[in-house]
Amino acid sequence: NAGVMQNPRHLVRRRGQEARLRCSPMKGHSHVYWYRQLPEEGLKFMVYLQKENIIDESGMPKERFSAEFPKEGPSILRIQQVVRGDSAAYFCASSPYSSNYGYTFGSGTRLTVV
Amino acid sequence: QQPVQSPQAVILREGEDAVINCSSSKALYSVHWYRQKHGEAPVFLMILLKGGEQKGHEKISASFNEKKQQSSLYLTASQLSYSGTYFCGTASGAGSYQLTFGKGTKLSVIP
Repeated sequence: NAGVMQNPRHLVRRRGQEARLRCSPMKGHSHVYWYRQLPEEGLKFMVYLQKENIIDESGMPKERFSAEFPKEGPSILRIQQVVRGDSAAYFCASSPYSSNYGYTFGSGTRLTVV
Repeated sequence: QQPVQSPQAVILREGEDAVINCSSSKALYSVHWYRQKHGEAPVFLMILLKGGEQKGHEKISASFNEKKQQSSLYLTASQLSYSGTYFCGTASGAGSYQLTFGKGTKLSVIP
């Protein structure tokens, strides 16, 4: 069981470029969550998805950010026209049902905008 | 609303005990505890559900007082491997999927 796989581990983008972050949940997990973490801060909820459905995106900035979890393939967090303030660690987590079963986190993608 | 963790940081010698607290201003259904080492993914430790139960995991245990909306994580006879940042995550409903995390407590265990 490979766990939650995120790639890339590190991503450097120039201001104005697009960033695509990928997440493959644990086998058997149908719930995917994206969180953002700034240095010395906790994890901030961004979006919760199930296959082909966005269930809650209340933590996502209204512009430039989008997420999907297609029927086939990994979940994608997409950030368009990145700015310096988007630099952070982005973690994906999955769970088999609701969060009452605990999350399994991926190793994260560290995005640096230069 | 983000739960408040205390202390923010603690330094222990091997073998000493520590308590990390997590308080919320909202009614809680569950509290999760995670440990994150620098540059790594947070790792799930345990979940406590409404009912005030106490759970244990090796020498790490936790309690949940739903009336006070508080949870405490107890680390006994600490080991070097316990070093890291501990986060509590809270959920307000039985079917909640979104966790709200505290800012973390940085624990350093020294020889």
